[in-house]
Amino acid sequence: QVQLKESGPGLVQPSQTLSLTCTVSGLSLTSNSVSWIRQPPGKGLEWMGVIWSNGGTDYNSAIKSRLSISRDTSKSQVFLKMNSLQTEDTAMYFCARNRYYSALYYFDYWGQGVMVTVSS
Amino acid sequence: DIQMTQSPTSLAASVGESVTITCLASEDIYGSLVWYQQKPGKSPQLLIYGATILEDGIPSRFSGSGSDTQYSLKINSLQPEDFASYYCQNGLSTPFTFGSGTKLEIK
Repeated sequence: QVQLKESGPGLVQPSQTLSLTCTVSGLSLTSNSVSWIRQPPGKGLEWMGVIWSNGGTDYNSAIKSRLSISRDTSKSQVFLKMNSLQTEDTAMYFCARNRYYSALYYFDYWGQGVMVTVSS
Repeated sequence: DIQMTQSPTSLAASVGESVTITCLASEDIYGSLVWYQQKPGKSPQLLIYGATILEDGIPSRFSGSGSDTQYSLKINSLQPEDFASYYCQNGLSTPFTFGSGTKLEIK
């Protein structure tokens, strides 16, 4: 069955770079797209960006200058790197499979999420 | 970017009642609207996509409607497990924006 699992440090210092990994199973990254979505404590969901099945990427313009998403298809892993972290980047970070259906994109499988706290 | 305005922010209802949550897109999204349920400490769960299509395994008391810029999620005969937060999502184009969420609480 399809599974996604996020991993990475729980604590990052301000101004440092966040590196997260999403390890997928039950699907191939060469035929599936994966997004990163985050959720600050007690707040709503924010889509961050996607790596498409062809390896192309799209990012949320609000964080585009700080964000990079890449992948290693042989290891079934998707990576998120975001620099210049601030306290407002404290959030639960999710990866999710992008499903495409009739000109519609949605997220049908989600990882459990990894909590990242930005603090000195 | 397409903005998604969701209302109400919170809603209190009793078991057995019906409730409706609405989502307004800032431009026509041609039915590319998605609804999720999220329980505390859990990942969001897909409920409805394409405005009206129920995901496999989701109870039929959940239904979606709407077109153009206006969409609704209706939950009939609320069950205890339905008390959660609900989010709409623009599925037409990036950025895939979400509504701000509706917290459904027990009255």
